Amino acid sequence: GAVVSQHPSWVICKSGTSVKIECRSLDFQATTMFWYRQFPKQSLMLMATSNEGSKATYEQGVEKDKFLINHASLTLSTLTVTSAHPEDSSFYICSAPIMGGTRTYEQYFGPGTRLTVT
Amino acid sequence: DAKTTQPPSMDCAEGRAANLPCNHSTISGNEYVYWYRQIHSQGPQYIIHGLKNNETNEMASLIITEDRKSSTLILPHATLRDTAVYYCIVRVGGYSTLTFGKGTMLLVSP
Repeated sequence: GAVVSQHPSWVICKSGTSVKIECRSLDFQATTMFWYRQFPKQSLMLMATSNEGSKATYEQGVEKDKFLINHASLTLSTLTVTSAHPEDSSFYICSAPIMGGTRTYEQYFGPGTRLTVT
Repeated sequence: DAKTTQPPSMDCAEGRAANLPCNHSTISGNEYVYWYRQIHSQGPQYIIHGLKNNETNEMASLIITEDRKSSTLILPHATLRDTAVYYCIVRVGGYSTLTFGKGTMLLVSP
């Protein structure tokens, strides 16, 4: 099946620094990718939609200047957490849609990136 | 997207069938029922989806009631590795995002 990878799988950074997370579609092209965030014991919350060759669209309440998204190719989207703070510590997950056999879209998720800001 | 209601947790013995219910009484005619699961500290995994007919794949079966107001995900022979949070999501089949609720925490025990 389709594979989406993320790198790194976990990262620890100091408060005030920036962290880049990569999301790659390994065996398919993705003009759109989605970024989610999940805090402990909570469900996934959509942060933004990454569009290849154009600006990302952010969900309400998500600071676009803090969470920079770049989708420069059909297989790679990056999320940069700028000036990270401890409250940004979370599990970040990306996904990409693929059309299935019934001509509906199925989302394939990456394994996630655990960010801890100290 | 229509809302769904799932029990917060369920238990199942290893080797037995796990039947996970989902209510979606406000589902629209063009909305599909999708099931995903999330094993602890991993990204969600697509399981199955359907519109109105029952569906089966190598992972599970999906039974949708005739009025489409509820559905059941069936794992025919649950294993310990099936312990996860299972999410039932209704959405149109297009390029849209997924809205995750709280899901059902399925615990499979020896």
